[in-house]
Amino acid sequence: GAVVSQHPSWVICKSGTSVKIECRSLDFQATTMFWYRQFPKQSLMLMATSNEGSKATYEQGVEKDKFLINHASLTLSTLTVTSAHPEDSSFYICSASLVPDTQYFGPGTRLTVL
Amino acid sequence: DQQVKQNSPSLSVQEGRISILNCDYTNSMFDYFLWYKKYPAEGPTFLISISSIKDKNEDGRFTVFLNKSAKHLSLHIVPSQPGDSAVYFCAAVLIQGAQKLVFGQGTRLTINP
Repeated sequence: GAVVSQHPSWVICKSGTSVKIECRSLDFQATTMFWYRQFPKQSLMLMATSNEGSKATYEQGVEKDKFLINHASLTLSTLTVTSAHPEDSSFYICSASLVPDTQYFGPGTRLTVL
Repeated sequence: DQQVKQNSPSLSVQEGRISILNCDYTNSMFDYFLWYKKYPAEGPTFLISISSIKDKNEDGRFTVFLNKSAKHLSLHIVPSQPGDSAVYFCAAVLIQGAQKLVFGQGTRLTINP
């Protein structure tokens, strides 16, 4: 089956620093990747849609200057949380779409900002 | 505006019995509906999907039913097994545009031995 990886799986950083999370589709090419965030005991919330070679489309309320997304190739998308603050602590999950009715998710990245 | 709702935050079922997870939606334009299973600190795992033009899809122990007039879908797991204990999310997708998934809040299923 389709495999999506994320790196790192967890990261702890100091407030004010930037953190980059990578999302890779390992055995297929994904023209579209998605970034989600999940707070404890809440649903997955779509942050942005990332298309290879073009600018990401952000959901309402998501700061594009804070959450920088780069989709440099058909197998790699990165999310950079700039000037992270404790309220950015969350579980970040990416997904890649292979066919319209299925998205394959990465294992997630737990970000803790001190 | 919660377009996809799972009104039961938790459900307990005895091993071997049927688990029924419910999901309601408000947007009649959704093209597909999907069910995902999620363990803590892991990404969701795809279980089963159904097109909006169908009313049932079956895959092994998992069956999804869609009632478009009621804007309601359900996931049946039978027989339930201890390994099924997880949080289940239903999601809906509009093909038009960017294929964005809209998730429900999730239902925590616990299978009791």
